Amino acid sequence: NAGVTQTPKFRILKIGQSMTLQCTQDMNHNYMYWYRQDPGMGLKLIYYSVGAGITDKGEVPNGYNVSRSTTEDFPLRLELAAPSQTSVYFCASSTNRDRGTDTQYFGPGTRLTVL
Amino acid sequence: AQKITQTQPGMFVQEKEAVTLDCTYDTSDQSYGLFWYKQPSSGEMIFLIYQGSYDEQNATEGRYSLNFQKARKSANLVISASQLGDSAMYFCAMREGSARQLTFGSGTQLTVLP
Repeated sequence: NAGVTQTPKFRILKIGQSMTLQCTQDMNHNYMYWYRQDPGMGLKLIYYSVGAGITDKGEVPNGYNVSRSTTEDFPLRLELAAPSQTSVYFCASSTNRDRGTDTQYFGPGTRLTVL
Repeated sequence: AQKITQTQPGMFVQEKEAVTLDCTYDTSDQSYGLFWYKQPSSGEMIFLIYQGSYDEQNATEGRYSLNFQKARKSANLVISASQLGDSAMYFCAMREGSARQLTFGSGTQLTVLP
């Protein structure tokens, strides 16, 4: 019963490097999300997707890119890492059933440090 | 303006007592949903309870209940009979209108004392 999985769990990047954070869900959820959580703060939405091939920006999209080629996978790309991107990144997914009770299920997070 | 406000950065409660964590929200949508998540020190986000704007009764899930006061735009989480394992960060979140994404508050760190 995997749910939402994220890799890697931890990563240290140098300024200017790029990387892809992986997210996979096995619940056949249409909706997927990427959030970041800065120390002592709540989560902020980076990007989200309502289905394969459809993505949209959230509150803090600058410096990131996403793609959604399959229902299961929603990778997040950092092209030119900056210290301001040091954060914990959470991927989440939710169903396409009745919006009222639609609950988001979160992955375990990726802790990223940019030095 | 903040959409979700949690005014208690930290709270302490004695084991077996009840505790209320405050959450106020701001939206002009008539249709919205309110969520509470728990984040233990291990970091994962655990869904606790949901309240819809049209729900007439307060939501309950085991030891968790949501004190929903629509006119005051508040959605406080009540934890009854606190346990040591309840020590964690608690986040209130809202989904507005037709959107699917959530807006989170800044969280309340709850510590349960033995």
